[in-house]
Amino acid sequence: NAGVMQNPRHLVRRRGQEARLRCSPMKGHSHVYWYRQLPEEGLKFMVYLQKENIIDESGMPKERFSAEFPKEGPSILRIQQVVRGDSAAYFCASSPFRTLNSPLHFGNGTRLTVT
Amino acid sequence: QKEVEQNSGPLSVPEGAIASLNCTYSDRGSQSFFWYRQYSGKSPELIMFIYSNGDKEDGRFTAQLNKASQYVSLLIRDSQPSDSATYLCAAENTGNQFYFGTGTSLTVIP
Repeated sequence: NAGVMQNPRHLVRRRGQEARLRCSPMKGHSHVYWYRQLPEEGLKFMVYLQKENIIDESGMPKERFSAEFPKEGPSILRIQQVVRGDSAAYFCASSPFRTLNSPLHFGNGTRLTVT
Repeated sequence: QKEVEQNSGPLSVPEGAIASLNCTYSDRGSQSFFWYRQYSGKSPELIMFIYSNGDKEDGRFTAQLNKASQYVSLLIRDSQPSDSATYLCAAENTGNQFYFGTGTSLTVIP
């Protein structure tokens, strides 16, 4: 019973390159959240998706960032033209349905370093 | 504007003592509250959640919720060195938005 799978675990990109972060939710989970975490800080909400739909992207910068969760395959968080300030840990979390009191299950995260 | 506030700590308690972690939230629409534990360099792990006023106990952990005061707490009884971690409080509102606090760092001293 695999948990939430994120890859890669570590990603190094030069300024101006693109970063693609992947998240496969737990089996049976159709809701995905993406969070960003800087060192010594909490989790900052970025985007909430269901299969083929973006439900809430209020936490995601309008420029350079995009997310998708296609009918088949993992959810993808894409960062174009990365800058040093994008260096952070990016966590994906999933849940089977969205009623209240349904906790999120987290993946191990992707550590993005922009050089 | 922060949705969830936590004392960043660090909080130090001796082994066997009770650790008390506190959290306040600003969104009165918040309905459910979650406590996660995060070890350094690892992902958050769910400890427990609460949505009704009062106390909820699970083993050595007790969550307390006071919606009138917009206050949530986590008590850890008989603290162990393995409890040393950062504890994240999260609030979920009716829009299924989850907001996390910045976390409280706990150290249990053997």
